Amino acid sequence: AQTVTQSQPEMSVQEAETVTLSCTYDTSENNYYLFWYKQPPSRQMILVIRQEAYKQQNATENRFSVNFQKAAKSFSLKISDSQLGDTAMYFCAFMISNRDDKIIFGKGTRLHILP
Amino acid sequence: GAGVSQSPSNKVTEKGKDVELRCDPISGHTALYWYRQRLGQGLEFLIYFQGNSAPDKSGLPSDRFSAERTGESVSTLTIQRTQQEDSAVYLCASSLVSGYSNQPQHFGDGTRLSIL
Repeated sequence: AQTVTQSQPEMSVQEAETVTLSCTYDTSENNYYLFWYKQPPSRQMILVIRQEAYKQQNATENRFSVNFQKAAKSFSLKISDSQLGDTAMYFCAFMISNRDDKIIFGKGTRLHILP
Repeated sequence: GAGVSQSPSNKVTEKGKDVELRCDPISGHTALYWYRQRLGQGLEFLIYFQGNSAPDKSGLPSDRFSAERTGESVSTLTIQRTQQEDSAVYLCASSLVSGYSNQPQHFGDGTRLSIL
């Protein structure tokens, strides 16, 4: 069975600082996708970044980047120059490629950006 | 364009009553998913539809839960004889197709269900 673990239930950083959210996962599969979703207080789930397991290059989206370590089954999210609007719950998620598209989510990390 | 729409946004009901939650996916999205998010917990997969059929119902927590989809569009999640442990936010998502994992799932705002 696939599992996703986020070991940091809550984090706080000052605006403009860089913060890293950790995520580890467990699977015996070789082809899969990893995601970070952001959930602000509005409850809307927003896809932040996506990584395909077969790609060695780490995905980046503007201020968001990941450190994907396949052998270690680690998928951390780095937010640079953090902004107040980054305050949200962040979920790490996993999906097996070309299977039933069921996403397995971690329990989330609540991130507070302080002014 | 319109995103995934869920209704009601909030529902408070008494234990033992039946509730029906509605999801309107993005037009043209053939895949539709239901998730549950209990307070302080991660998202829990319930069921997904490819068109109007549900190939995977393994996440439904009990036989009190059922879901249907018609016209490859609207889906309803029904919970019969609600229990307090059913209190949660129920999120719906849709994507263009299933089986192609590079298609992102677009989520609605969820329905917050509170069982008294």
